[in-house]
Amino acid sequence: EAQVTQNPRYLITVTGKKLTVTCSQNMNHEYMSWYRQDPGLGLRQIYYSMNVEVTDKGDVPEGYKVSRKEKRNFPLILESPSPNQTSLYFCASRSTGYTDTQYFGPGTRLTVL
Amino acid sequence: SQQGEEDPQALSIQEGENATMNCSYKTSINNLQWYRQNSGRGLVHLILIRSNEREKHSGRLRVTLDTSKKSSSLLITASRAADTASYFCATDGWETSGSRLTFGEGTQLTVNP
Repeated sequence: EAQVTQNPRYLITVTGKKLTVTCSQNMNHEYMSWYRQDPGLGLRQIYYSMNVEVTDKGDVPEGYKVSRKEKRNFPLILESPSPNQTSLYFCASRSTGYTDTQYFGPGTRLTVL
Repeated sequence: SQQGEEDPQALSIQEGENATMNCSYKTSINNLQWYRQNSGRGLVHLILIRSNEREKHSGRLRVTLDTSKKSSSLLITASRAADTASYFCATDGWETSGSRLTFGEGTQLTVNP
């Protein structure tokens, strides 16, 4: 089954404790991205990657890192989480075709105390 | 910044009625997509309309695109309680590094039984 998986689904952590949210897709998609969703702000893109070893900042990259060492994986790293990073995070992937749609993971709800 | 802006922010209707949601955007696009999100879940792709198309249908969904006005509408006919969700438009425009999807803040649709 074609899917995007994220782990963990829920995470409560404390300020400053490094964490990684994993994302994996099984569709051989070139394009992957991370979004955060906050009430009243919609979905905002954090980082995206056009292919292996190619990443670029989205609209709200501050405080986040990503890597794309393999095509299927695109982890989101918070080196020193802060309470303003409490949010619902979504990973997504798609092929880079002109009319291709984006597939979303189930989301990771992160709380930073 | 958000490219697409949905209107209205919230819509409440009775089962069987039609629901219309609008989306406006600012810059040139390759295509525009509509997504649905059940509360706290991942986004699910509904329909994609290319910049050279004016109207598209999929089941009870009808999407229009007016590139001269930079706007799109999503019509759900004969709505059902199960259609209750948030609906987002996303614009696909080419950046220097490749295409990016930019989401609006969404319309919360409530269909009352």
